Amino acid sequence: ETGVTQTPRHLVMGMTNKKSLKCEQHLGHNAMYWYKQSAKKPLELMFVYSLEERVENNSVPSRFSPECPNSSHLFLHLHTLQPEDSALYLCASSERLLMTGGNTYGYTFGSGTRLTVV
Amino acid sequence: AQSVTQLDSQVPVFEEAPVELRCNYSSSVSVYLFWYVQYPNQGLQLLLKYLSGSTLVKGINGFEAEFNKSQTSFHLRKPSVHISDTAEYFCAVIISSGSARQLTFGSGTQLTVLP
Repeated sequence: ETGVTQTPRHLVMGMTNKKSLKCEQHLGHNAMYWYKQSAKKPLELMFVYSLEERVENNSVPSRFSPECPNSSHLFLHLHTLQPEDSALYLCASSERLLMTGGNTYGYTFGSGTRLTVV
Repeated sequence: AQSVTQLDSQVPVFEEAPVELRCNYSSSVSVYLFWYVQYPNQGLQLLLKYLSGSTLVKGINGFEAEFNKSQTSFHLRKPSVHISDTAEYFCAVIISSGSARQLTFGSGTQLTVLP
């Protein structure tokens, strides 16, 4: 265990379903991230949260909806997904956002949720 | 233009042989460089990072990388690999985007160590 826990580990859902991915960290980190990892493609940053506020949203379709109720929890709500959304979704946290100075730039990743859309 | 490029998508190598995984970065990005490893069915784990100082960086599991500014490279090396090193390796750089700097990854190199 890295300190970042993602559930579920595997998820199969139909295109009309609604589901949520959960990420939890108790490392005292203030920033949390959602990444999408598709086969043969670089990791894509989807969302960035700092102190429960969304900082970045990298042109992600609205069928993905993040939620950060507190600094320890991050959710990714899914609805009406497409088969091309099948991927490994990784959550990460860091002590704070990457800014100049005073940061070790350490990210801690969870093990991911393997999502299959049928 | 891609900020970080991993030139080899797959690298097979025999056990106890040396290995080098190549990474080149765009000269326009900040020179904060990282290597992460991802074992099957797991998340990413930091191997090593270069922020400043000595250009030769040593990481966990016997890996090291050398920052070469003139060649804009940050290749990962290990003198003798083990079966357990079989994994996917990602090079990453810090880039500035919007209100924060972010970690941007290459497409990964699958290292397969053969017995």
